Amino acid sequence: DQQVKQNSPSLSVQEGRISILNCDYTNSMFDYFLWYKKYPAEGPTFLISISSIKDKNEDGRFTVFLNKSAKHLSLHIVPSQPGDSAVYFCAASWTTGNQFYFGTGTSLTVIP
Amino acid sequence: DTGVSQDPRHKITKRGQNVTFRCDPISEHNRLYWYRQTLGQGPEFLTYFQNEAQLEKSRLLSDRFSAERPKGSFSTLEIQRTEQGDSAMYLCASSPQRQGFAYNEQFFGPGTRLTVL
Repeated sequence: DQQVKQNSPSLSVQEGRISILNCDYTNSMFDYFLWYKKYPAEGPTFLISISSIKDKNEDGRFTVFLNKSAKHLSLHIVPSQPGDSAVYFCAASWTTGNQFYFGTGTSLTVIP
Repeated sequence: DTGVSQDPRHKITKRGQNVTFRCDPISEHNRLYWYRQTLGQGPEFLTYFQNEAQLEKSRLLSDRFSAERPKGSFSTLEIQRTEQGDSAMYLCASSPQRQGFAYNEQFFGPGTRLTVL
């Protein structure tokens, strides 16, 4: 069963515009969420995280929004740059933090 | 130390053979994770170590799979009697345990790509 879902396999955005990547989860026990970026032939790289006590967390061009009632989170990248082209995974965990559940990823292409 | 390293990066083996992968975490990280990733999927959790103790194993980890982390440093993942369905990218990740923080982000290695013929 897929507890973390990314329903958009791909997304194309013009350079300088906003990229919005979405993620839904089903397990209400999840209270910690992360976004990772992955380039080909490399392991995922941590981008940004948010705990369930917040509804927004910003780090430079990256902002993660959490809507607990909808069990939905999103990653906003503003402005998008060609170097942002990669596969983005969201992941979730709960209090013990021992097991992380990943979505299937969204491939972002930023067009120059 | 520049990050998590994994060896080998690629492994091709014949069905029925045993394979072993190694992961060297970031030196001060006491938490270590193994994941498996197949095409079009996200990483799937396999097992977790805190120091040398294996604290959690996924149902995905059949009895053909075994992982160790002697002395709480590097870790090995062995697959016995490999099957074609074992073909995947095997990822290792480590994270620190910071005082007062329940959660910490994981730092991933580049992975070992296994192909079982």
